[in-house]
Amino acid sequence: ETGVTQSPTHLIKTRGQQVTLRCSSQSGHNTVSWYQQALGQGPQFIFQYYREEENGRGNFPPRFSGLQFPNYSSELNVNALELDDSALYLCATSVGGFTGELFFGEGSRLTVL
Amino acid sequence: ELKVEQNPLFLSMQEGKNYTIYCNYSTTSDRLYWYRQDPGKSLESLFVLLSNGAVKQEGRLMASLDTKARLSTLHITAAVHDLSATYFCAVETGTASKLTFGTGTRLQVTL
Repeated sequence: ETGVTQSPTHLIKTRGQQVTLRCSSQSGHNTVSWYQQALGQGPQFIFQYYREEENGRGNFPPRFSGLQFPNYSSELNVNALELDDSALYLCATSVGGFTGELFFGEGSRLTVL
Repeated sequence: ELKVEQNPLFLSMQEGKNYTIYCNYSTTSDRLYWYRQDPGKSLESLFVLLSNGAVKQEGRLMASLDTKARLSTLHITAAVHDLSATYFCAVETGTASKLTFGTGTRLQVTL
């Protein structure tokens, strides 16, 4: 158990729809990173939030956006869903920008039909 | 662009045998991580390697880092079935300290 909670655990959407995924971090973990893991591949960095601001972004289009709240919880929003967005979305938290270890949640599995 | 390559991609080994998984990466980094992932599950942190020459051991697993060669190894000693999983290495890069993951090595330990 890492203390990182993600919701929902599974969801199914259709192309063109929008989705919001949520992440609650461990107490004191003020940095949240989001990763996308397609089936059979390693996770890919989407973006990171630190002190409620985006602090780095991977190679993902603007329809992937996020928020971090004062309590350090976070949301990942994806607009105009495409079939290739089907994946496991992982939230990872850490302390103070980065201290050498990420704690991953169990993930949200998104299926786009 | 940073590339992180693992080999082998798939490893079937008998219980009791030893083997090594290799992780090569293409640009300078002083921080490397190993994770384990069971099917349908999230990532479990195994090792954090923070400097050249770092070696860490936990049970039957031992990880090492050679930053000059841009190589990390994960050595498995006397494998047991419970070690069956997919193992990822990940390299830290950039000011945002994002992790770039390798392709993963799927390990299957058979009786």
